[in-house]
Amino acid sequence: RKEVEQDPGPFNVPEGATVAFNCTYSNSASQSFFWYRQDCRKEPKLLMSVYSSGNEDGRFTAQLNRASQYISLLIRDSKLSDSATYLCVVIPMEYGNKLVFGAGTILRVKS
Amino acid sequence: DVKVTQSSRYLVKRTGEKVFLECVQDMDHENMFWYRQDPGLGLRLIYFSYDVKMKEKGDIPEGYSVSREKKERFSLILESASTNQTSMYLCASSSGQSGQETQYFGPGTRLLVL
Repeated sequence: RKEVEQDPGPFNVPEGATVAFNCTYSNSASQSFFWYRQDCRKEPKLLMSVYSSGNEDGRFTAQLNRASQYISLLIRDSKLSDSATYLCVVIPMEYGNKLVFGAGTILRVKS
Repeated sequence: DVKVTQSSRYLVKRTGEKVFLECVQDMDHENMFWYRQDPGLGLRLIYFSYDVKMKEKGDIPEGYSVSREKKERFSLILESASTNQTSMYLCASSSGQSGQETQYFGPGTRLLVL
């Protein structure tokens, strides 16, 4: 079983739609969680950290469910510019600051 | 702005060649990382370094070595390139040790081994 699993998609949604991605992780000792965004043929960039209480940044909401070992990303009012691959990232406690990446979920927002 | 640069965007090499991939960061970050990214597999950590002259193996170090002689520079070396090392190689850097720090990535080097 992969340490971090994501639905690869693609998720094809119209502009203005709300879309959500889930990501599951296998190591229950994982301590830190992030969503990175990667545009086509570009490098990954941090989108947002995921906090235990959940957190919001504009149209983006991240949630953590430790009991079920998954994190989620909700995007409201999708824009064309949101089209990208969204990478779920986990740091297991014993790894220090080594990141474990999911393979990514592709989002395509269409007009 | 943090800047991480990689020496080449595209490289074509032949099987058996020695390949050097260079990465430089300009933010005085302690930590530097080399990943490879393959479709369906995501980013996998090859090697990382927490300090000058220090290196640790990641998840897939076989066939690779690294060098960190200066804080700002982290080199990935393929001693004898093989076709299964065709991939996108991404370098990253971060500061601190808490695990919460953002990793900043370079633009990547797309390596093709023939």
